[in-house]
Amino acid sequence: SQTIHQWPATLVQPVGSPLSLECTVEGTSNPNLYWYRQAAGRGLQLLFYSVGIGQISSEVPQNLSASRPQDRQFILSSKKLLLSDSGFYLCAWSPANSYNEQFFGPGTRLTVL
Amino acid sequence: AQKITQTQPGMFVQEKEAVTLDCTYDTSDQSYGLFWYKQPSSGEMIFLIYQGSYDEQNATEGRYSLNFQKARKSANLVISASQLGDSAMYFCAMRELLSGANNLFFGTGTRLTVIP
Repeated sequence: SQTIHQWPATLVQPVGSPLSLECTVEGTSNPNLYWYRQAAGRGLQLLFYSVGIGQISSEVPQNLSASRPQDRQFILSSKKLLLSDSGFYLCAWSPANSYNEQFFGPGTRLTVL
Repeated sequence: AQKITQTQPGMFVQEKEAVTLDCTYDTSDQSYGLFWYKQPSSGEMIFLIYQGSYDEQNATEGRYSLNFQKARKSANLVISASQLGDSAMYFCAMRELLSGANNLFFGTGTRLTVIP
């Protein structure tokens, strides 16, 4: 069966510090991968998605970036965090060429102080 | 315009009763998919049910059913026989299959509280 992991689970970082959140998927090959952010009390906003290694599409311009160095690894990064980057970050996957449900990871709660 | 609208910030239901969570959507695509997710306090997003725009029958998954009214562009979630464990945030989402197959648009959610 497929599983999706995210770490860390929680993170407190000062403004201006770098960020690296990692997401890995097990039990599937060539998945579509997604990064979402959920602000407090809000729905999810798609940040990045990837259909393959090195292929990243950005949905929202901001100071975040994403990379996919391996088939089942998706990394969300920032060189300098802003206060507005605080939120709940969720990674998700879906089978390649699937237009049905996405499966979400446990999330990372980021607080920028 | 909002792609997904959930007008109920919070809902209460008595245990063992049924509850309907509202969702309306806005799209000009002919092919789209509608989803409901549950988010408990732990934060994980749990997929509940899916309805394709060409599906003629309403989707059902156990105690969950989706009341799909295409002409009204609504996709309400019905939870029957509510349980205490159903207390959570519920999000409606849509994927436009032709114009944005990789993007799920989410509503702002409805917080459901099941009262014992």
